Order: sequence, then structure tokens, then C-alpha cells
Amino acid sequence: GAVVSQHPSWVICKSGTSVKIECRSLDFQATTMFWYRQFPKQSLMLMATSNEGSKATYEQGVEKDKFLINHASLTLSTLTVTSAHPEDSSFYICSARDVRGHQPQHFGDGTRLSIL
Amino acid sequence: QQQVKQSPQSLIVQKGGISIINCAYENTAFDYFPWYQQFPGKGPALLIAIRPDVSEKKEGRFTISFNKSAKQFSLHIMDSQPGDSATYFCAASSTGNQFYFGTGTSLTVIP
Repeated sequence: GAVVSQHPSWVICKSGTSVKIECRSLDFQATTMFWYRQFPKQSLMLMATSNEGSKATYEQGVEKDKFLINHASLTLSTLTVTSAHPEDSSFYICSARDVRGHQPQHFGDGTRLSIL
Repeated sequence: QQQVKQSPQSLIVQKGGISIINCAYENTAFDYFPWYQQFPGKGPALLIAIRPDVSEKKEGRFTISFNKSAKQFSLHIMDSQPGDSATYFCAASSTGNQFYFGTGTSLTVIP
């Protein structure tokens, strides 16, 4: 089945640090990747939609200068949390949809980000 | 505005019992309805999905029932097992567009 790899799985860093999270589609080409944030015991909140070769589309309330998204190839999208602060601590999950636009979305295993 | 409403928030079922989770939607343009299973610290994994041209889909112990006129769909887990204990999310989307997720149901299957 389709596999999406997310790295790192867990990161702890000091306040003010920038953190990059990678999302790779391993066995298919993904035109579109999605980035979600999930708080404990809550649903997935879509942060942005990333299309290969173009600028990401951010959901209302998500700071694009804070959460930088790059989708430079059909198999890789990155989310950089810039100058992270404790309130950015969360579980970040990416998903990918193949180039044919077929559903479903395939999810990575998430990144637990803890900012001290 | 919650595009997809999910209930119950939590569910406790005895081993061997049937777990039922319900979802409702408003947007008639939705044409794809997946269910995802999520274990703690992991990303959601696709369990089963249905399109509105069928009323039921079964895969092993998991069944989706779909009522287009009522704009409702539900997940039935037959012969529930402790290993099924997880959070379940329903979702809905229209082709090529984003997924809208329900609020999740925490299922606990007790031995």
C-alpha cells in the first residue's frame, strides 16, 4: 500500500529554534500534500495545502511566515516551524494524495514537537 | 462550522460486541467518505471508505453504512477486539478537495 514517511518522529528543542519536518511519499508521486496539527484528544486541524512547484495555501488563522512549507518535488514536502515557542508544541501530521488526484489521503506517522 | 459531525465522543464496548460510530454531513457535494483509525502517537490509517453510489461496504469486521438522503454514514465494527481500541475519525471530501474530519471517537474494547 501507499506509504508516507515523516521525519523526525519526535523533536525537543529550545524556544527560538527553527525546526524542519519532512514528509515523503515513498511509493507514489504526490501532487498535493497536506499539513495538519493535532492537539491531544482532538481532531486533525488542516494547516495548509501544499502543491508541488507552487506556493502553499494556508488555512485561515495559520501564520505563513511562522509555518513555512516547501513542496519542491513530487515526493517531498517540508514544514519549517520558525522561531518556535512553547505554544507551537503539538503533533504535526502530513498526508499525501497521488498525482492522479485519487483519494484517499495517506498519512505519515506524525512528528511530536516539544518546545522548551 | 463543523462540516462533519461525529458521535459518540467515546465508546466502551465489551469484547465480541458491536461498536457503532456515526457521522453526519451537510455538503451534498461530498463524494468520498473514509474512516481512519489512529493509535496514540501515530498518524491516522485508512480503515475503509465508501462513495455515495452504494449504501453499504464491508471489509472483514468493518462495515460502512451510508444513507445519502439522511446525509449520514456510520462505521460498524463487528466482534470488537481489544486491539481495536483506538480513536476513529470519519471524514468527507469532494473529488480533488480537502478532507473534513469529524471530531473523533475514542473506542475502548474491554476484555
